[in-house]
Amino acid sequence: EDQVTQSPEALRLQEGESSSLNCSYTVSGLRGLFWYRQDPGKGPEFLFTLYSAGEEKEKERLKATLTKKESFLHITAPKPEDSATYLCAVQVGTDKLIFGTGTRLQVFP
Amino acid sequence: NAGVTQTPKFQVLKTGQSMTLQCAQDMNHNSMYWYRQDPGMGLRLIYYSASEGTTDKGEVPNGYNVSRLNKREFSLRLESAAPSQTSVYFCASSGALGVDTQYFGPGTRLTVL
Repeated sequence: EDQVTQSPEALRLQEGESSSLNCSYTVSGLRGLFWYRQDPGKGPEFLFTLYSAGEEKEKERLKATLTKKESFLHITAPKPEDSATYLCAVQVGTDKLIFGTGTRLQVFP
Repeated sequence: NAGVTQTPKFQVLKTGQSMTLQCAQDMNHNSMYWYRQDPGMGLRLIYYSASEGTTDKGEVPNGYNVSRLNKREFSLRLESAAPSQTSVYFCASSGALGVDTQYFGPGTRLTVL
């Protein structure tokens, strides 16, 4: 069964304290892996797409990496405005985007 | 560009009532989607439309119907609302099915009493 698991469920960081969020997947036929950010009461906001193992993408303090079994979202020197829920999703086939349940990140000043 | 817009933002229904959630996109995307998001669960696909004139069931289609009105608009209808349909509903669109990134609207928070 296709499955996406995100860990940890929640993460509290001090401002400037770098860390990583994990997205592990067991799917047949990965076509792409997506990272989204979701603020309370808002829709998911696209961050990155990764297509193949070894690929990396960066945006400001965020860096996403992909292996054959998992993806990491590294957050370097986070700020309070990085507080949000981060969602991982895996594209399988043409009509199936499987979402994880997300990691809720809180960054304190 | 507004991206993906949804109306209404909030709605409260009584069991058995019907309503339609509206979604529109101005990105000239071919594919559109309806998801629901419940606490402790990932976003789940209800219905999708690969292109104008086509619709298909997703993971959780029971109790819902959809209409792809034109290339821009994709509506979701609840014919007889049930408390189990209390959720946050998101519409999304992408350039093409299964290839391009999906972009999401702001959501509709629905409560069924």
